[in-house]
Amino acid sequence: EAQVTQNPRYLITVTGKKLTVTCSQNMNHEYMSWYRQDPGLGLRQIYYSMNVEVTDKGDVPEGYKVSRKEKRNFPLILESPSPNQTSLYFCASSLSASGQPLLEAFFGQGTRLTVV
Amino acid sequence: QKEVEQDPGPLSVPEGAIVSLNCTYSNSAFQYFMWYRQYSRKGPELLMYTYSSGNKEDGRFTAQVDKSSKYISLFIRDSQPSDSATYLCAMSNQAGTALIFGKGTTLSVSS
Repeated sequence: EAQVTQNPRYLITVTGKKLTVTCSQNMNHEYMSWYRQDPGLGLRQIYYSMNVEVTDKGDVPEGYKVSRKEKRNFPLILESPSPNQTSLYFCASSLSASGQPLLEAFFGQGTRLTVV
Repeated sequence: QKEVEQDPGPLSVPEGAIVSLNCTYSNSAFQYFMWYRQYSRKGPELLMYTYSSGNKEDGRFTAQVDKSSKYISLFIRDSQPSDSATYLCAMSNQAGTALIFGKGTTLSVSS
């Protein structure tokens, strides 16, 4: 089954404790991205990757890091989480190639993160 | 001004009603317009997309784009309780690196 898998689904952590949210896709997609979804603000892009070792900032990258060492995986790293990073996070992947419009993105189930 | 504006609702309708969901946008360079549906505790999934102006129909769903007014719509005919979800309009940025989303409209269809 084609899917984007995120782990964990739920996470409660304390301020400053480094954490990683994993994302894996089995569709051989080149494009992957992370979004956060907040009430009243909608979905906002954090980082994206057009291919292995190619990553770039989205609209809200502060406090986050990513890496793309393999095509299927795109982990999101919070080195020193703060309460304002409490949010619902989604990983997405797409067949979209560089320079082509981004149409169908496949989203994971989401990771609900609470930072206390 | 936000690039994409969408009334968050909530919108409550009886089963069988025709539903109209709308978005406005400010960037005239947008050419690809999408509607995603998000069920509670799930990720968004693509319903349909249209290119430039015009209509596109898929079963009970019709997407409409009016580029002159920078206005897009999604119509749902014969709405069903299973249509209860949040509907997100989205546009691809020109570089193809991001989807720009509206905030989503929450729809509830009662039987």
